[in-house]
Amino acid sequence: DIQMTQSPSTLSASVGDRVTITCRASQNIITYLAWYQRKPGKAPKLLIYQASSLESGVPSRFSGSGSGTEFTLTISSLQPDDFATYYCQQYNSYVSFGPGTTVDIK
Amino acid sequence: QVQLQESGPGLVKPSETLSLTCTISGGPSRYYYWSWIRQSAGKGLEWIGRIYPTGSTDYNPSLRSRVSMSIDMSNNQFSLKLSSVTVADTAVYFCAKNAGGTWHFDLWGRGTLVTVSS
Repeated sequence: DIQMTQSPSTLSASVGDRVTITCRASQNIITYLAWYQRKPGKAPKLLIYQASSLESGVPSRFSGSGSGTEFTLTISSLQPDDFATYYCQQYNSYVSFGPGTTVDIK
Repeated sequence: QVQLQESGPGLVKPSETLSLTCTISGGPSRYYYWSWIRQSAGKGLEWIGRIYPTGSTDYNPSLRSRVSMSIDMSNNQFSLKLSSVTVADTAVYFCAKNAGGTWHFDLWGRGTLVTVSS
């Protein structure tokens, strides 16, 4: 099984901040990585796939990078709608998710 | 705009079978894989399995012995059965659409809470 970790687990930030979340895989997943945003009571939303491809309709302030075992999700200028929990997911070998990073208001 | 909606009992007794249905609305359903994913406090997000309109399935190896999925394209629905449930199966269950032929998910339902308790 491929284990996914994320850091930090919680991140406090202000509107306008640049935010970076890190995701690590226990083995090489090439670029088979996706990022999701989840808000309470709402369906999770795909943001990034294939490590760096922006899903259609997702604002360009979201970006992803990385390959192999280390990946990042960056929000270039945090907006009020971005306070949420973010999950990474590998799909190189079946599917597994990271534990999540909650972005809350500083 | 394709939408997904989970439905089923919110309470299941230990040792019984959990049964959920996902209804697909607003778009074509016969060209995609459809998945079930759950989120529990103890194990985070966990992929359960996926099904194609032909009935072909892939299951998480850790759940394979207890999982069964089916699909009814005439009613735009697919279903999950998880047998011999325990309190560890208490979770929010999501249905989701696999993007293209891949293993990431470009559309999710809002999820439904299933509690296993006597």
